[in-house]
Amino acid sequence: AQTVTQSQPEMSVQEAETVTLSCTYDTSESNYYLFWYKQPPSRQMILVIRQEAYKQQNATENRFSVNFQKAAKSFSLKISDSQLGDTAMYFCAFMKPIEGAQKLVFGQGTRLTINP
Amino acid sequence: SQTIHQWPATLVQPVGSPLSLECTVEGTSNPNLYWYRQAAGRGLQLLFYSVGIGQISSEVPQNLSASRPQDRQFILSSKKLLLSDSGFYLCAWNQRWPGNQETQYFGPGTRLLVL
Repeated sequence: AQTVTQSQPEMSVQEAETVTLSCTYDTSESNYYLFWYKQPPSRQMILVIRQEAYKQQNATENRFSVNFQKAAKSFSLKISDSQLGDTAMYFCAFMKPIEGAQKLVFGQGTRLTINP
Repeated sequence: SQTIHQWPATLVQPVGSPLSLECTVEGTSNPNLYWYRQAAGRGLQLLFYSVGIGQISSEVPQNLSASRPQDRQFILSSKKLLLSDSGFYLCAWNQRWPGNQETQYFGPGTRLLVL
């Protein structure tokens, strides 16, 4: 069964620092997608970054980047120059096919607080 | 551009009452649509998904049902709510990118409190 594990329930850093959120997953699929979503207090789920498993190059979106280690089944998110607006729950997710559709399997989340 | 709407935003219902939550997508056609539920402080769990009008698949047995009466409309229902139905309900749709890549985008969600 596909599972996603986020081992850090909570993290806290100072504004402008760099922070890395951990995520590991388990799957027998050879090709798949991984995602990081951000959920601020409004609870809207916002896509932060996505990674295709067949791509060796790590995805980057402005201050957000991932460290994708396929053999280790690890997918960490690095936030550089953190800002107060980055305060949110962050969810790692794995996408698996299900009968003509795609299902996201989520980790339990990491609550990130950026302090001024 | 594509947008996804959900209503109501917040709902407080007594135990045993019926439920209808609505999700509508604009700016796309024939999307795959999904209902997820999020318990307090936890990740999301897929409840239902639909690949077309009238086509509903259930991921977990529960007190809820779903329907897709139109291409871009997805409805979550219950005949009699239970306390355990309380939670945050999110609708999502799949966008397909070139190269058969897919990404799910979420609506703003509905907070349901069953008392």
